[in-house]
Amino acid sequence: GDSVTQMEGPVTLSEEAFLTINCTYTATGYPSLFWYVQYPGEGLQLLLKATKADDKGSNKGFEATYRKETTSFHLEKGSVQVSDSAVYFCALIKAAGNKLTFGGGTRVLVKP
Amino acid sequence: DGGITQSPKYLFRKEGQNVTLSCEQNLNHDAMYWYRQDPGQGLRLIYYSQIVNDFQKGDIAEGYSVSREKKESFPLTVTSAQKNPTAFYLCASGTGSSYEQYFGPGTRLTVT
Repeated sequence: GDSVTQMEGPVTLSEEAFLTINCTYTATGYPSLFWYVQYPGEGLQLLLKATKADDKGSNKGFEATYRKETTSFHLEKGSVQVSDSAVYFCALIKAAGNKLTFGGGTRVLVKP
Repeated sequence: DGGITQSPKYLFRKEGQNVTLSCEQNLNHDAMYWYRQDPGQGLRLIYYSQIVNDFQKGDIAEGYSVSREKKESFPLTVTSAQKNPTAFYLCASGTGSSYEQYFGPGTRLTVT
């Protein structure tokens, strides 16, 4: 079946450091890919998305590029802030209205 | 404001009792979903509904039940048959034509 694998956390960084969270997927067909963010005690918020190969999703300084050749969708941010401390989930969906398949999540802690 | 509401935020029950978690949306979305999140893990799909009066089992439906009598509402009942009910439960909604899902703030259920 479909699956998403993320690097395990926690990832601890200093403010203004560069952040990368690796995400790879296994799926048949052409899934759409997402990054969601979860702040402490809250639900998930959509951070960015890409619906086809070579698409780049971006939002709030975060970027991720859909790489079909390596089945990856790595999340990057050039300069993190303390407010970026959260759990980040990579996910895929095969078709509109279907279920999301999530990775295990990566906790990021940014220290001042 | 449009959005998804889940109530209550925290819920405590004794083992052997059924409990119903509320999920309401005013986004006019056709599809609604229930996910379960355990510490340090990704989200797993319990049930989903793509249209009123119809729903399908997700990956971990055993011990849960749902109803979809109105477009806006998708309550989840955690029955006494669920062996490990303590978890964070997230409700989401989406349109049938979109890949995006929007999440509520979640309900943390503790069963002792």
